[in-house]
Amino acid sequence: GNSVTQMEGPVTLSEEAFLTINCTYTATGYPSLFWYVQYPGEGLQLLLKATKADDKGSNKGFEATYRKETTSFHLEKGSVQVSDSAVYFCALLSGGGADGLTFGKGTHLIIQP
Amino acid sequence: KAGVTQTPRYLIKTRGQQVTLSCSPISGHRSVSWYQQTPGQGLQFLFEYFSETQRNKGNFPGRFSGRQFSNSRSEMNVSTLELGDSALYLCASSPPLGGTYNTEAFFGQGTRLTVV
Repeated sequence: GNSVTQMEGPVTLSEEAFLTINCTYTATGYPSLFWYVQYPGEGLQLLLKATKADDKGSNKGFEATYRKETTSFHLEKGSVQVSDSAVYFCALLSGGGADGLTFGKGTHLIIQP
Repeated sequence: KAGVTQTPRYLIKTRGQQVTLSCSPISGHRSVSWYQQTPGQGLQFLFEYFSETQRNKGNFPGRFSGRQFSNSRSEMNVSTLELGDSALYLCASSPPLGGTYNTEAFFGQGTRLTVV
């Protein structure tokens, strides 16, 4: 079956530091890949997505590149802010959506001023 | 444009009772999916409805059911509640894409269910 693996954290960084959150996946076929963000007490917000190999998704300074050869979709940001503190979920969608979105366990990111 | 609206935001129920949660999708969206979020299991797919029909289903017992109305609003029902059903239940809607499954999902804020 499908699966997504990501570091769970918490990951604590200082403001303006470089961020990488690793995400690797196992899936049949050619999945679409996503990063979602969840702020305290809120639902999930789509941060970025990529639907085919070598696509780069980007939004709000965050980037991730769909690497089929390494089955990875690592999230990066050059300079994090305190407001980026949240839980980040890597997810995939494959097989026409028959199994819905498959999520990783989530990475809790804490940015200190 | 209004987002996905879930009601109620919080619920406390007693073991053995049943509960109904409601989800109003973004206007024009016809696909509605439900997810359960718990600290132990993370986010798990419950089911998806499209044009009033259940199109996909996750690996949950029959106590979990849902339906979708002609205006695309959806409800999910959990019967004979167990302590382990305590979770955040999230609804997501997707815009139409030629009748096929769209990759874009917009989530509501969720309903926090506590079973005591």
